[in-house]
Amino acid sequence: EPEVTQTPSHQVTQMGQEVILRCVPISNHLYFYWYRQILGQKVEFLVSFYNNEISEKSEIFDDQFSVERPDGSNFTLKIRSTKLEDSAMYFCASRGGQGNTGELFFGEGSRLTVL
Amino acid sequence: EDKVVQSPLSLVVHEGDTVTLNCSYEVTNFRSLLWYKQEKKAPTFLFMLTSSGIEKKSGRLSSILDKKELSSILNITATQTGDSAIYLCAVVGAGSYQLTFGKGTKLSVIP
Repeated sequence: EPEVTQTPSHQVTQMGQEVILRCVPISNHLYFYWYRQILGQKVEFLVSFYNNEISEKSEIFDDQFSVERPDGSNFTLKIRSTKLEDSAMYFCASRGGQGNTGELFFGEGSRLTVL
Repeated sequence: EDKVVQSPLSLVVHEGDTVTLNCSYEVTNFRSLLWYKQEKKAPTFLFMLTSSGIEKKSGRLSSILDKKELSSILNITATQTGDSAIYLCAVVGAGSYQLTFGKGTKLSVIP
């Protein structure tokens, strides 16, 4: 069964460092997303990406964050100058359908710990 | 701002019990409501509901949407220990690509 894959599964970094979280969405999907879940809190939307550009982003997704689809398969989230409060599980998701219906398929997540 | 409220926040039942999880929402131009199961890590899709009153069923799980009451329920019959998880409800508004999640209901099924 096709799945969304994410790497790394866990990354520990020092405050102020840059991190890149990588995702390989399901191959024929067109819409890509990043969500995050701080420990014990709800899953929060960060950004959606379609046709090589950001289609929507939340207030959380400030200038510290960026996304890129550098080739036909990878979808990356870059966090510049990490802060302690960036520690969370980051989920990548993808969706195939047109419009905004259709289920999202989530990856297993990348746990980011900022020290 | 879209809002999803789930209840109860946690629930402990014995194997074989039937449970009902609740989700209520406020969303601009509702498009769909989704249920996910989250065990250790990734949320896994259970149901997507767009029409009121039509039950979706998968094995022991079923769900229904009530657009008039702005709510949905997820039923699990004959619960098993493998049903222990956090059940997440999320909504999508028209014109939006994002899911707004509730805090989830943590279900613990004990033998």
